[in-house]
Amino acid sequence: NAGVTQTPKFQVLKTGQSMTLQCAQDMNHEYMSWYRQDPGMGLRLIHYSVGAGITDQGEVPNGYNVSRSTTEDFPLRLLSAAPSQTSVYFCASSYSDRPTYNEQFFGPGTRLTVL
Amino acid sequence: KQEVTQIPAALSVPEGENLVLNCSFTDSAIYNLQWFRQDPGKGLTSLLLIQSSQREQTSGRLNASLDKSSGRSTLYIAASQPGDSATYLCAAQAGTALIFGKGTTLSVSS
Repeated sequence: NAGVTQTPKFQVLKTGQSMTLQCAQDMNHEYMSWYRQDPGMGLRLIHYSVGAGITDQGEVPNGYNVSRSTTEDFPLRLLSAAPSQTSVYFCASSYSDRPTYNEQFFGPGTRLTVL
Repeated sequence: KQEVTQIPAALSVPEGENLVLNCSFTDSAIYNLQWFRQDPGKGLTSLLLIQSSQREQTSGRLNASLDKSSGRSTLYIAASQPGDSATYLCAAQAGTALIFGKGTTLSVSS
């Protein structure tokens, strides 16, 4: 198994540009999520999904969209990039969000810089 | 609102020393407590997961404990090695999200 994969690894955008961060997992996990990691702030949840067709907002959802058309993929879209979105983005997945099945596995991250 | 705190923020020890990393959380109503390791510029690697009904978990030289009543978890690393140098993060799950501490950066010198 490849586990959780993310592309690209690095990206530089100009303010106002849009882009999609890709996330895929091959473990047949129902639960997927996106976090951002900022110095001094730790990791914070952006959006999550408990299954195909179901998404919900996390702690810091503004400026981001998600969709979940398949179990495997959970892309994160930046609609109009802002310098405040400069961060490292991590995708995570687990078999379920319920206790005893919820060990979470993280991808390698996407380092995004918005100029 | 759940808050997770890790103390100390940084720790330096000589090789071979046993050490304890601390994690505290404000709301005892958690599903589980998970410890991660993060190397510079890399993703998070899951080390140990303790379910709310468990008291501890062990993997090799690592032992994690959980005391829900006091809102504390510890990660014990035995016989530390330079390869253990990394940032260690704890995260509490209550509901759908993991709430992370800011981590303890460990440096083990040879």
